[in-house]
Amino acid sequence: NAGVMQNPRHLVRRRGQEARLRCSPMKGHSHVYWYRQLPEEGLKFMVYLQKENIIDESGMPKERFSAEFPKEGPSILRIQQVVRGDSAAYFCASSSKLIIQGTGASLTEAFFGQGTRLTVV
Amino acid sequence: AQKITQTQPGMFVQEKEAVTLDCTYDTSDQSYGLFWYKQPSSGEMIFLIYQGSYDEQNATEGRYSLNFQKARKSANLVISASQLGDSAMYFCAMRGRNTGGFKTIFGAGTRLFVKA
Repeated sequence: NAGVMQNPRHLVRRRGQEARLRCSPMKGHSHVYWYRQLPEEGLKFMVYLQKENIIDESGMPKERFSAEFPKEGPSILRIQQVVRGDSAAYFCASSSKLIIQGTGASLTEAFFGQGTRLTVV
Repeated sequence: AQKITQTQPGMFVQEKEAVTLDCTYDTSDQSYGLFWYKQPSSGEMIFLIYQGSYDEQNATEGRYSLNFQKARKSANLVISASQLGDSAMYFCAMRGRNTGGFKTIFGAGTRLFVKA
């Protein structure tokens, strides 16, 4: 029962190149979330996707960043024309379903991958 | 607005002693969940413990317990009998209805150092 798989673990890109980060959710999970972690900071939400749909991308920069979660295959976070400020750890999380808490119900847990560390040189 | 505050950038604890990592939160949600994650030097995010806002009892998971004080909006993590392997960054996090239940808000983290 593999967990959330991210690849590559480490990615080095020169300024101006494209970075593609992949995330395979846990088996049976159809909800994927991407977060970015700058050095010595907490994670910041970027985007939430379900299969073939972007549900919320309020944390994504408006330019150069895009995400998809196709019907088949992993979720992809794509950064075009990378700059040094894009250097960070990018985490993917997945969950089986979304439960909006009512009274006493629990919010579903999201399981994180090991992250991709992007370095822009 | 949703916000998580961790006021301790770093903490030291002697091996085998207990330590409390502070976390306060701000939310207008009536229903929300609070989480603690551990991030060792290898970088992965490890889920430790969860507390629902309507849970009447404090959550416990092995050596981890969550001291939940709803009126004070605090959710401190208590680690008992610290071990050298507990040295890591610890993040407090929250999800709630106002964030759609899916957008986890993280604090800035506390780095814990366990001394032999």
